[in-house]
Amino acid sequence: RKEVEQDPGPFNVPEGATVAFNCTYSNSASQSFFWYRQDCRKEPKLLMSVYSSGNEDGRFTAQLNRASQYISLLIRDSKLSDSATYLCVVPDPTGRRALTFGSGTRLQVQP
Amino acid sequence: DAGVIQSPRHEVTEMGQEVTLRCKPISGHDYLFWYRQTMMRGLELLIYFNNNVPIDDSGMPEDRFSAKMPNASFSTLKIQPSEPRDSAVYFCASSFQREAQETQYFGPGTRLLVL
Repeated sequence: RKEVEQDPGPFNVPEGATVAFNCTYSNSASQSFFWYRQDCRKEPKLLMSVYSSGNEDGRFTAQLNRASQYISLLIRDSKLSDSATYLCVVPDPTGRRALTFGSGTRLQVQP
Repeated sequence: DAGVIQSPRHEVTEMGQEVTLRCKPISGHDYLFWYRQTMMRGLELLIYFNNNVPIDDSGMPEDRFSAKMPNASFSTLKIQPSEPRDSAVYFCASSFQREAQETQYFGPGTRLLVL
């Protein structure tokens, strides 16, 4: 089983829609999780972190379900500018600085 | 701040040639990471350095790949000889120990095509 698995999409949604992505992870020892955003032909950038059960930042909400070992990212009132690939990221639970990136879920918001 | 700088931005070469990718991390950062991104395998960590010392190179595909960090402001990733399957986007990232673990700053990447 891969360390981090994501539905690759693409998710095609109209402007204003609410969309959610899930990410599953294999290492139950992982304590924190992150979402990165990658625009087409650009570098990944940190979007948000999840340390406990969840985190909310404006239209974005990240939730963690430790029992089922999945993380979700919810985007409300989606904008055209939200179109990107969203990467689920799990840190090395042994304390090394390494990060493991999921393959990403592509979102396309349509007018 | 200029951010992480990578060069070249694009590289097209023929199989068997040596390829050298360069990275300048953000000034003051003490971690440097090299990643490779392909459609098939996603974003993979190749190697990372802490204070110019390689910490983990378990992601380096094979002996054809080597990475160095001679000083705090410069790192290279070399592929010799290159093969078509090395075609990918190679990202360099840096981070600061006092920031949270997840905060890595990526460069714009080098798009490598090996013919």
